[in-house]
Amino acid sequence: GESVGLHLPTLSVQEGDNSIINCAYSNSASDYFIWYKQESGKGPQFIIDIRSNMDKRQGQRVTVLLNKTVKHLSLQIAATQPGDSAVYFCADSNNNAGNMLTFGGGTRLMVKP
Amino acid sequence: DSGVTQTPKHLITATGQRVTLRCSPRSGDLSVYWYQQSLDQGLQFLIQYYNGEERAKGNILERFSAQQFPDLHSELNLSSLELGDSALYFCASSAGLAGVSGELFFGEGSRLTVL
Repeated sequence: GESVGLHLPTLSVQEGDNSIINCAYSNSASDYFIWYKQESGKGPQFIIDIRSNMDKRQGQRVTVLLNKTVKHLSLQIAATQPGDSAVYFCADSNNNAGNMLTFGGGTRLMVKP
Repeated sequence: DSGVTQTPKHLITATGQRVTLRCSPRSGDLSVYWYQQSLDQGLQFLIQYYNGEERAKGNILERFSAQQFPDLHSELNLSSLELGDSALYFCASSAGLAGVSGELFFGEGSRLTVL
């Protein structure tokens, strides 16, 4: 499942710094959002999710923020590590669309040692 | 390891040919999803099955078809292959309907190269 060849926006951060990856969605009816991480050679892996009745949710070293007013989602990674280097995808769904997940284009995170 | 198994991992074939990609979902998962990941389009949803029945259809070409068998494994059939069909094809599974009950679990993909 490598995504090395994907033409993606890239975020480069120093090891130990915090990373913020942004995602805009278009469907105002979307009510469920997920972040996935795809490492080279692997399939996407779930990181964290959030429902539209929340605006913030925290996991281990990760926080997802949801701003429904401007249809914006962000993933914050604290103390970024080399193992965080990957492509990150956001996805959204809504009850009216049969809960089908629609993925964004992805952002490549590169962590510099 | 997500528990989702896809075969083959790599496949090289010629234009005009037909291939079948196979997916075994996580034990107990009823939903299977197929996604295509190409260079310029990210993850594109193709089709979803739930307990043997087609549930949702995305941007799946008429040359492509899929099915889910009674044992819940799924196959994606790609026919009359074109160069533009070269991509990574992912299968994912979930216990219920993703978007309602939570995450999808992805396999490691089948890389198809059409020459």
